[in-house]
Amino acid sequence: GAVVSQHPSWVICKSGTSVKIECRSLDFQATTMFWYRQFPKQSLMLMATSNEGSKATYEQGVEKDKFLINHASLTLSTLTVTSAHPEDSSFYICSAPRALSSRAFFGQGTRLTVV
Amino acid sequence: EDQVTQSPEALRLQEGESSSLNCSYTVSGLRGLFWYRQDPGKGPEFLFTLYSAGEEKEKERLKATLTKKESFLHITAPKPEDSATYLCAVQPQGGSEKLVFGKGTKLTVNP
Repeated sequence: GAVVSQHPSWVICKSGTSVKIECRSLDFQATTMFWYRQFPKQSLMLMATSNEGSKATYEQGVEKDKFLINHASLTLSTLTVTSAHPEDSSFYICSAPRALSSRAFFGQGTRLTVV
Repeated sequence: EDQVTQSPEALRLQEGESSSLNCSYTVSGLRGLFWYRQDPGKGPEFLFTLYSAGEEKEKERLKATLTKKESFLHITAPKPEDSATYLCAVQPQGGSEKLVFGKGTKLTVNP
């Protein structure tokens, strides 16, 4: 079964509104989670690294004031897309590495459509 | 700069027709190379991790191999349910767990 749960699976919002996406590790604690964005026929691009109890680390070119990340507990990270615009429409995916495991576990992804 | 290039972008096979997908990479020290399968509208599903040149891993009809510059995902006698996008990613050395992905190969297996 899924070990990383992402919610919602899809969301449609109006331009100018904010949208929150949740990423939960279900049976392990994750001090670090990663947020990726994927455009059609493109690779997953890392947006930011979410760190429990401290500020997120953003990749070059990603606006930290637009993509707010909060990692308030060891099992939950949230990504808030603020003042969303149509160009923010994309597939957002989170992942969490599990200690003593050789791989990262991915959420199911969230399809965001801004109209 | 760490980079991953996958080829071909798309591949159509007949059921039972074996083939290979390629993943070329440049990285400043390789911690691990990962293969994932992604179905439309879903998150990536883990297949394999390879750590050193010469390593091979196998699972059902899939076999992954690794050299110092590239990795291959061999698909033997594929079935329609193997249709998906296959993603390759590298994890550079340096302490972070983040991955650098290629664009993927979209595989379609026709019955």
